Amino acid sequence: DARVTQTPRHKVTEMGQEVTMRCQPILGHNTVFWYRQTMMQGLELLAYFRNRAPLDDSGMPKDRFSAEMPDATLATLKIQPSEPRDSAVYFCASQPSGAYTEAFFGQGTRLTVV
Amino acid sequence: GQQVMQIPQYQHVQEGEDFTTYCNSSTTLSNIQWYKQRPGGHPVFLIQLVKSGEVKKQKRLTFQFGEAKKNSSLHITATQTTDVGTYFCAGPRGSSNTGKLIFGQGTTLQVKP
Repeated sequence: DARVTQTPRHKVTEMGQEVTMRCQPILGHNTVFWYRQTMMQGLELLAYFRNRAPLDDSGMPKDRFSAEMPDATLATLKIQPSEPRDSAVYFCASQPSGAYTEAFFGQGTRLTVV
Repeated sequence: GQQVMQIPQYQHVQEGEDFTTYCNSSTTLSNIQWYKQRPGGHPVFLIQLVKSGEVKKQKRLTFQFGEAKKNSSLHITATQTTDVGTYFCAGPRGSSNTGKLIFGQGTTLQVKP
């Protein structure tokens, strides 16, 4: 049963620390999204990759966030330094190539910055 | 930029009542997708609509895509407690049918048994 895998599932960290979240997309999917979900803002698109190339990261605070795909099986989202306002659930989703395809979401990383 | 708006934000219904959520885009969409997120869970794909005026049904759920392809709705007949969750619509930004998915704010449904 193919699925998107995210690690860690939960992370509690102190303000100022670096946080790295990882995502393993479904094998063969060529599009990867990073979303942040909060009660106030809903699902915000942070970054978007196709064939490992970043296509759009305009939704991401550039001064502290970075997203990469070092290879086709791994996407990372880093926050350095973290702040309390970064507390949220971060979802990775992958999508197969082709028109009109659905996005498959991972279970998310719940981040708490204290 | 392109925005996808959903109303209402919250809906509380008695079990057995009907429920509808509406999705409106500021621009024409090539397609629209609907997702459901259970409490504590992750969004799960429900359905995709592509054609103008398209109507699709999944058991008690009816999905519609507007004639102008700028709005959509999800209607649940005779809600059950298993319908509890947040329902999101999502559309690709831009005219491409493979663009990045922009989600509406979601409608959270509570069902009282």
